[in-house]
Amino acid sequence: GAVVSQHPSWVICKSGTSVKIECRSLDFQATTMFWYRQFPKQSLMLMATSNEGSKATYEQGVEKDKFLINHASLTLSTLTVTSAHPEDSSFYICSATRTAEQYFGPGTRLTVT
Amino acid sequence: GQQLNQSPQSMFIQEGEDVSMNCTSSSIFNTWLWYKQEPGEGPVLLIALYKAGELTSNGRLTAQFGITRKDSFLNISASIPSDVGIYFCAGQIGGATNKLIFGTGTLLAVQP
Repeated sequence: GAVVSQHPSWVICKSGTSVKIECRSLDFQATTMFWYRQFPKQSLMLMATSNEGSKATYEQGVEKDKFLINHASLTLSTLTVTSAHPEDSSFYICSATRTAEQYFGPGTRLTVT
Repeated sequence: GQQLNQSPQSMFIQEGEDVSMNCTSSSIFNTWLWYKQEPGEGPVLLIALYKAGELTSNGRLTAQFGITRKDSFLNISASIPSDVGIYFCAGQIGGATNKLIFGTGTLLAVQP
């Protein structure tokens, strides 16, 4: 149990367009999901905490108007990268919490050309 | 953002050798976790530690939660080629937040 999926697994988009990434907990309900960003050869950096039915809490330095997070149900959170630029190219990973443990999705590779 | 200091940064070892890596923080954490990440994948939980001084094993892996609650180490015994990957420690404050702070990572390469 405790499987988290992400869709798409990779996406290429043109600069200026928006991209939506989905994170789903497949076999459990998650009141809290987290979104991380990982640049090549670096660690995971927390972007925001997403709570079902309420506004996301963003980490310092993360633009909330650029990275829109919606946690519409207990099994789905979405991250939309708006007006994407090449510097937004990264590996985006979500996690979902069950009790106190976080279970990570397989990640989404975003490349902005 | 805040990160934990993890060492060594990378290790290149022969199959069968034991491996040790550690993680230190200037802050206290209530939970320490160790993850393994393979290329193009999300991190997978290896061991979770919940009490200062706790020593926990998972197969060939052993991890300890430091007494000061500011550090942790992970040992891998008798390494095998499939141990290759990046190992991350993570600290969790707990309470009202389940946020994880990740370490800088240790790249492990195992030569058969």
